[in-house]
Amino acid sequence: AQSVTQLDSHVSVSEGTPVLLRCNYSSSYSPSLFWYVQHPNKGLQLLLKYTSAATLVKGINGFEAEFKKSETSFHLTKPSAHMSDAAEYFCVVSGRTGGFKTIFGAGTRLFVKA
Amino acid sequence: DTEVTQTPKHLVMGMTNKKSLKCEQHMGHRAMYWYKQKAKKPPELMFVYSYEKLSINESVPSRFSPECPNSSLLNLHLHALQPEDSALYLCASSHRPRDRDYEQYFGPGTRLTVT
Repeated sequence: AQSVTQLDSHVSVSEGTPVLLRCNYSSSYSPSLFWYVQHPNKGLQLLLKYTSAATLVKGINGFEAEFKKSETSFHLTKPSAHMSDAAEYFCVVSGRTGGFKTIFGAGTRLFVKA
Repeated sequence: DTEVTQTPKHLVMGMTNKKSLKCEQHMGHRAMYWYKQKAKKPPELMFVYSYEKLSINESVPSRFSPECPNSSLLNLHLHALQPEDSALYLCASSHRPRDRDYEQYFGPGTRLTVT
């Protein structure tokens, strides 16, 4: 069975400081992992994905994530937060079980203070 | 064109109405999805279409009826909804069904209010 846990429901940072959003996963098979961002009343946008190639994945808007199999983690980071980064972030796992369904984490709301 | 479009943006309907949500993509994707998202929650999968055939129905009540007329279009027909069905309905598509490596492209959603 697959599952994904986002360890923080809310994260608050000051503009210009680093961002860390934590995600742990569980999967019987080698999974694909994704981070999506959702701004208020909008659809979801892909930030980055891991599909068993390089373990350090770079995405859009300066975000990156590192796949760590030993820790079953896929944390999202950004060196310097911008006000426009304030949004909801979802970690997603996809794999062979469940008919190739994607499993969403509960989400982390990122607040950015001026 | 990497866009998934959804119409209408907003919909208010009574419990006895019949309405439809529409989703369109022109990326040649062969998997299409309907999700329901309540406030402050992640999207919940409702239906998956694979090569225009319904492949996953997540035990959704029959008052929601999906339809995939062709590879670019996905509809969700609504009838006799309940107030608790009020939510943001998201459509998504991906390149190939049953392939875990392909990300989903999401539309902006339809905000549905049932009165």
